Amino acid sequence: DAKTTQPPSMDCAEGRAANLPCNHSTISGNEYVYWYRQIHSQGPQYIIHGLKNNETNEMASLIITEDRKSSTLILPHATLRDTAVYYCIVRVANRAAGNKLTFGGGTRVLVKP
Amino acid sequence: EAEVAQSPRYKITEKSQAVAFWCDPISGHATLYWYRQILGQGPELLVQFQDESVVDDSQLPKDRFSAERLKGVDSTLKIQPAELGDSAMYLCASSLIEGSEQYFGPGTRLTVT
Repeated sequence: DAKTTQPPSMDCAEGRAANLPCNHSTISGNEYVYWYRQIHSQGPQYIIHGLKNNETNEMASLIITEDRKSSTLILPHATLRDTAVYYCIVRVANRAAGNKLTFGGGTRVLVKP
Repeated sequence: EAEVAQSPRYKITEKSQAVAFWCDPISGHATLYWYRQILGQGPELLVQFQDESVVDDSQLPKDRFSAERLKGVDSTLKIQPAELGDSAMYLCASSLIEGSEQYFGPGTRLTVT
């Protein structure tokens, strides 16, 4: 699975959009971008994933660049409960390749009032 | 909303003792994963089951760790004997099928003294 690079930490203001970047310059054509987050003392929580098109769900939006070498997770209106470590993970999603999630260091996001 | 259940939530044990963790995945989820998360790091896969069969246990320290999922539903992870370096959060996750998003339980925090 391709390696990802994320900033170690970032702050954002409550009520504002939080834009979390992720670089995955060695991503392959059949690899998806997944985002998970982990609130303190809880298990990771799935947020969203995509292959090449932008995706949106009730939690967030995922913007993937045209060359797929980077992506941005957008939390449209950050709340204090969004304070967590956010993990960007790239992996192939098929039976033959296995399905483990390879977590890096993630970005520690602190939402401030 | 269905959740992955884990018990116990916290466990303190002395080194050289045996310890076991239990996981009940979301009903109908065929794939079950055990991860270990050392403080300050991302989770790392220990073992993956597809139904009752082990798919990937390449990172499981087999001299002291064992995992089973006898009926393809709930699972047990055992450590015997426990070592100081085993202190970590042990996370269980499940997915409906291989390749789909994983849902994590709250974890078991193990402290070995």
